[in-house]
Amino acid sequence: AQSVAQPEDQVNVAEGNPLTVKCTYSVSGNPYLFWYVQYPNRGLQFLLKYITGDNLVKGSYGFEAEFNKSQTSFHLKKPSALVSDSALYFCAVRERYGGATNKLIFGTGTLLAVQP
Amino acid sequence: NAGVTQTPKFRVLKTGQSMTLLCAQDMNHEYMYWYRQDPGMGLRLIHYSVGEGTTAKGEVPDGYNVSRLKKQNFLLGLESAAPSQTSVYFCASSPGQTGSFQAFFGQGTRLTVV
Repeated sequence: AQSVAQPEDQVNVAEGNPLTVKCTYSVSGNPYLFWYVQYPNRGLQFLLKYITGDNLVKGSYGFEAEFNKSQTSFHLKKPSALVSDSALYFCAVRERYGGATNKLIFGTGTLLAVQP
Repeated sequence: NAGVTQTPKFRVLKTGQSMTLLCAQDMNHEYMYWYRQDPGMGLRLIHYSVGEGTTAKGEVPDGYNVSRLKKQNFLLGLESAAPSQTSVYFCASSPGQTGSFQAFFGQGTRLTVV
């Protein structure tokens, strides 16, 4: 069964410092991988995705993520954090093969807190 | 641009009451999903649909039923609400086997069962 793990409940970083939010996944086939962000009392907003091709994916608001097949990871990164980046971040995976399994499964979320 | 619209946004139910949450999307997406979000649990998939007239169970389907009679609508039903179903419910839709695969989310329904 497919699954996503976000090992850190919370990540604290000072404004201007680089940030990393970790994500590992488990699927039988090949993965589609996603990062979403949720601000308080809001729905989820799409940040970036890996479907195929270049392992380094760039997304919205200066975020990027690196797909590492051997480590089954898809960590979210940003070179310089902003206070406005403080939010709840979700990693998600969808298995890539034909048939009935097209579930989009989310991790438990990581709260990013950026201190001024 | 409406995207994904959830109705209602808030609801308080008494234990044992029933209700239906409506999700409507105007992007002609094949796939639709219902999730619940609880503190420390992330988003858990309740049911999903890969096309009109089809539904499938997700991770936590017990106590819920769904229907996808029209491609643009995905209904989530609670037949006999329980306090454990107090949660924030999110609907999402995405393209099928082609396209961007990106899921679009509604703004959520906050349900309290007392």
